[in-house]
Formats: sequence, structure tokens, C-alpha cells
Amino acid sequence: IAGITQAPTSQILAAGRRMTLRCTQDMRHNAMYWYRQDLGLGLRLIHYSNTAGTTGKGEVPDGYSVSRANTDDFPLTLASAVPSQTSVYFCASSDAGDLGNEQFFGPGTRLTVL
Amino acid sequence: GQSLEQPSEVTAVEGAIVQINCTYQTSGFYGLSWYQQHDGGAPTFLSYNALDGLEETGRFSSFLSRSDSYGYLLLQELQMKDSASYFCAVTALTRNFNKFYFGSGTKLNVKP
Repeated sequence: IAGITQAPTSQILAAGRRMTLRCTQDMRHNAMYWYRQDLGLGLRLIHYSNTAGTTGKGEVPDGYSVSRANTDDFPLTLASAVPSQTSVYFCASSDAGDLGNEQFFGPGTRLTVL
Repeated sequence: GQSLEQPSEVTAVEGAIVQINCTYQTSGFYGLSWYQQHDGGAPTFLSYNALDGLEETGRFSSFLSRSDSYGYLLLQELQMKDSASYFCAVTALTRNFNKFYFGSGTKLNVKP
């Protein structure tokens, strides 16, 4: 693995179903983030983690949960999907020790909730 | 709260210079970044300003004025491959951790 990966690439999901989006990075970055991007809008932060074992809420956390059991993985779970969660989801990581840091983004997961 | 404003779309011709502005209102402001995103792709980092002034990286330059809560991205010698969306993002320091807030993006159309 080089950089940050996400799975699946895309998914069509029935409303009410549970879904976990996976994110893995191999850069040993402490900080990880989940964003959603909707057409015509920028990236909105869902949840973040500044180190393994800790997580925090972003701008739009409702309906989503995250965990950070180790440095590399940061899964995002939709407990009961709704159509308004149709979006492109990006995972990102950064070296939290550098406040001027660059975020590295995964390729994204395109999720459609019907 | 946090808010960022940038133009929704800009059109320029190949070889020209274009400036994309970004104004922000952010508590705990620490710095301003710029990201490029091609259609269907992931955002990629272009530049970062924490101090007032101009940062130059090849054909791209970024400027920040903290007193005016304003920054811009300057793209010179435009190429067709520069057609993409450009996002400004503020880094806000909260409880010793940095959060990022993105603008809604400026779609740059480069024409031959």
C-alpha cells in the first residue's frame, strides 16, 4: 500500500441498511479525517481523529460513527443509511505534529442510498 | 463559526494568468491552504500560507493577508490540464488540534 486507500470504490445501498466505509493509510500519520462532498459544495468534515484511540465530531456528524483502534485504519459507519447520505466520501490523513500540514486524500467512495 | 467564500466559476484562456480569491471568517485561524481537484478525482494539496505574503511554487502562487481575512491563488501560464476545481481551506486550531474547513470550490475552465 502506498498512501491512503478506501474501499469500496462505489456502493449502492438500500435505505435502512448498515454500511462501513473503510480507510487505511501507511504513512504513520496521527491525524485522520472523513469528509463528504456533495455536488456544488466543498468538503464537509464528518469526523476526525487526532491519534489512535481518540475521535471527534466535525461539521456534519449525525448519522455517522467512527473508530480508531490503530494508527492505520479509520472506518466510517452509517448505522441506518438514508437517501440524504448519498454523496462522495473522502478519507484523509495528515501529520498532526505539523500545524501547517498537508492533507493526503484517498480516492473516495461514491455512495448512493436508495 | 466558520465561513469561506470563493467564486463558483472562472474561465480563462491557455497561457493567461488567473487569480482565484478566497475570503474567510474563522475562529482560531491558523493558515490557508489551496487544493486542486480534477473531475472524479481526489483533492491534492497545492500550497499553504500561515504568514502574510506570497508563496511561490512553480506556476502557482498563493497569497495571504491575515488582517483582511483574504487570500488568493494565482495560476500563471495556464495549461489545459489546469482545468479543475480549486478549493481554499482554512486550518483552525482548536484545543491543540487542527481542523480544516473547505470553501465550496472554484471551477476553472481553461480554453484554447
